[in-house]
Amino acid sequence: EVQLVESGGNLVRPGGSLTLSCTVSGITFNSYWMSWVRQAPGKGLEWVANINRDGSEKNYLDSVKGRFTISRDNARASLYLQMNSLRGDDTAVYYCARDGSREGNLDYWGRGTLVTVSS
Amino acid sequence: QSVLTQPPSVSGAPRQRVTISCSGGNSNIANYDVHWFQQFPGKAPKLLIQLDDVLSSGVSDRFSGSKSGTSASLVISGLQSEDEAVYYCAAWDDSLSGVVFGGGTKLTVL
Repeated sequence: EVQLVESGGNLVRPGGSLTLSCTVSGITFNSYWMSWVRQAPGKGLEWVANINRDGSEKNYLDSVKGRFTISRDNARASLYLQMNSLRGDDTAVYYCARDGSREGNLDYWGRGTLVTVSS
Repeated sequence: QSVLTQPPSVSGAPRQRVTISCSGGNSNIANYDVHWFQQFPGKAPKLLIQLDDVLSSGVSDRFSGSKSGTSASLVISGLQSEDEAVYYCAAWDDSLSGVVFGGGTKLTVL
């Protein structure tokens, strides 16, 4: 059974930092691109970042460039999102997802972890 | 304002057929595959259709996808109450170097 489990969501003050983790099981983790997608309360889906199989290629949503860093540890079958300089509009449920092709073919998703940015 | 444009809502009676459109441009839909997702309240999205028209494993064949030029469509036939959900399209955008989603379409089964 394929499982993606996110963790690390929390309440953080504006300007603060947080690191999200996603532990993956049931698939050959190092064979796939991985993505982070977020959903603000009551809003639609927004892709945040993705990373290729060996971590050498990364893409980011413009509004998070320079603030967020996606990374992975294939030995631990884990995906990470380091988030700095957090703002109120970063408040969202953050999902990790397997991407079959880099281009949004997100075929397995976790249940998400909530990040709330508020003073 | 989403890069991909979807109608905010559609509705249909049980057993009817509905179509959800997704409009984009040359930097996304025209040159890249479109994927469709279904999301129920409080749940993670689920991939329904990948690569324009390929049904994901385990998904009912009442769902189908197509693409022409800069637009794509999701068709749901034989509507059932359990189809009530929000549906999103997505594609790669090479001018943004990222994945873009539509704003989502809420389907109501009357």
